[in-house]
Amino acid sequence: DGGITQSPKYLFRKEGQNVTLSCEQNLNHDAMYWYRQDPGQGLRLIYYSQIVNDFQKGDIAEGYSVSREKKESFPLTVTSAQKNPTAFYLCASSPRFNSPLHFGNGTRLTVT
Amino acid sequence: EDKVVQSPLSLVVHEGDTVTLNCSYEVTNFRSLLWYKQEKKAPTFLFMLTSSGIEKKSGRLSSILDKKELFSILNITATQTGDSAIYLCAVVASGSARQLTFGSGTQLTVLP
Repeated sequence: DGGITQSPKYLFRKEGQNVTLSCEQNLNHDAMYWYRQDPGQGLRLIYYSQIVNDFQKGDIAEGYSVSREKKESFPLTVTSAQKNPTAFYLCASSPRFNSPLHFGNGTRLTVT
Repeated sequence: EDKVVQSPLSLVVHEGDTVTLNCSYEVTNFRSLLWYKQEKKAPTFLFMLTSSGIEKKSGRLSSILDKKELFSILNITATQTGDSAIYLCAVVASGSARQLTFGSGTQLTVLP
């Protein structure tokens, strides 16, 4: 079955630690995205990548970093510089720019 | 700055009721509007609307776009408890490499 796999489902970290969220897709999609969702708010774009070895900042990139070394993989690192990292993180992909997104099941990150 | 506003923010109804969810937008170079349903995890795609006045329908769900007044509605008839979810509206702007601008969502709760 094709899809997007995010892991882990839940993640707990202490303040000051970097943490990496995994996102893998086997849909052969070119474009991949990371969104953050907070309660009562819509999805906000962190980073996106339209092609391997290229990525761009979204609206709230500060305190985050990404890499796109393989088409299938787009990991997100939440660094200690991110002031409010506790949130629900969603990874998405699309076959081409401006087509509907396919989402993973998300990772809920809690930082204490 | 592109903006998407959904209303109401939350709604509680009983099974069998009909609901209308609203999405208004201010976007430069509008291309399309999408509706997603989000239960506990990944948003799932419902509709993509690009033309005014053409209703999209899927079972008990339907949606229509008004490009003159810059809004869309999502109707759900004969609601069921399984319709309980967050309904997200998103707009795609032509030429925007940032992909989608999401509204904050409407939390729909359907009581038995």
